[in-house]
Amino acid sequence: RKEVEQDPGPFNVPEGATVAFNCTYSNSASQSFFWYRQDCRKEPKLLMSVYSSGNEDGRFTAQLNRASQYISLLIRDSKLSDSATYLCVVYTGGFKTIFGAGTRLFVKA
Amino acid sequence: DGGITQSPKYLFRKEGQNVTLSCEQNLNHDAMYWYRQDPGQGLRLIYYSQIVNDFQKGDIAEGYSVSREKKESFPLTVTSAQKNPTAFYLCASTPSTGPYGYTFGSGTRLTVV
Repeated sequence: RKEVEQDPGPFNVPEGATVAFNCTYSNSASQSFFWYRQDCRKEPKLLMSVYSSGNEDGRFTAQLNRASQYISLLIRDSKLSDSATYLCVVYTGGFKTIFGAGTRLFVKA
Repeated sequence: DGGITQSPKYLFRKEGQNVTLSCEQNLNHDAMYWYRQDPGQGLRLIYYSQIVNDFQKGDIAEGYSVSREKKESFPLTVTSAQKNPTAFYLCASTPSTGPYGYTFGSGTRLTVV
């Protein structure tokens, strides 16, 4: 079992749709969680951290469920510019950070 | 603006050659990292460094070497011992060890010819 698992997609959605991604992690001692966005052939960029209480940044909402060991990302009112690969990232302590392989999103006009 | 500069953007390596990828940061970060990204896989850690003159192997260090002579610089050498070097290489930094979001450079795409 991979330490961090994501549905690779692709998710194909129309503009204005709401889309959600989940990510599961295997290490129950994981400390911190992040979502990154990666455009094609570019570097990953931090989208948002994920807090236990859930957090929101504009159209993006992240949730953490420690009991079930998953995090989620919800994108509301999808834009064409949201098309990218979304990486789930889990920090387990020290220098140990695990990157998921990513979920691809295509937003269509 | 502060950031990480990686060069070159594209690099072609012949069989048996060693090549060096440059990574420079002006963020005053203590910790620096090298990752490798292959299609359909998550980033994998090659080497990391917490302070100057100190670095540690990551999960896939075989065939790679690094140095950290200056805080700002963390070059990666891909040696001829690395049998499958074609990949996207990403340098990153954080203020120190801990649950910080990474700042990445724009990457170097290495291809064996």
